[in-house]
Amino acid sequence: QSVLTQPPSVSAAPGQKVTISCSGSSSNIGNNYVSWYQQLPGTAPKLLIYDNNKRPSGIPDRFSGSKSGTSATLGITGLQTGDEADYYCGTWDSSLSAGGVFGGGTKLTVL
Amino acid sequence: QLQLQESGPGLVKPSETLSLTCTVSGGSISSSSYYWGWIRQPPGKGLEWIGSIYYSGSTYYNPSLKSRVTISVDTSKNQFSLKLSSVTAADTAVYYCARHIRDIVVVVAATLYYFDYWGQGTLVTVSS
Repeated sequence: QSVLTQPPSVSAAPGQKVTISCSGSSSNIGNNYVSWYQQLPGTAPKLLIYDNNKRPSGIPDRFSGSKSGTSATLGITGLQTGDEADYYCGTWDSSLSAGGVFGGGTKLTVL
Repeated sequence: QLQLQESGPGLVKPSETLSLTCTVSGGSISSSSYYWGWIRQPPGKGLEWIGSIYYSGSTYYNPSLKSRVTISVDTSKNQFSLKLSSVTAADTAVYYCARHIRDIVVVVAATLYYFDYWGQGTLVTVSS
């Protein structure tokens, strides 16, 4: 059971927009910065978003991140078949069991 | 371009110790801005942070694994290593090494935390 909660799957058609949610608590998302990762089949995760809403160099602006309270959201516009992947949110948990935590992952299917 | 590469046995017997090394190239492991971590992913499942180390040797571990984990660094070789003791089948996973940022933004009392460079991963199977 992951500390951060994501929907197991989402789907949308090419060209459309999709959002992926990540729900936590005050000890993690509520008081720390969120990052998002894309994991294409058979590859290592890749950083998509850091500091809630910043994109590393080379990540297209079709990808966006936001945070409100104890939840965060990844948005992807202009969906492409190449976006089919697993997406993970991550953050720091400041509770007594402090450490890095991830969501359980969301499988994006581009229909 | 920074690159990380995991190496070590792909098969470990139950109750033994899993040992992996991550070699960093294209940059120095002694950079003061970064930590170096291990993350694992059981087949078909999500990511789990195992622990991290700073070039000075300071470490912090996932509380659920802390009693079995040791992470060390060798700055002369630009490497850091993972040891996980008393393994069981539940420790079968792809193990990734990665560079990460961990910093506190004092003005808002919030922690920045993200992994920006990852190794390709190595599958470790625990089986007799």
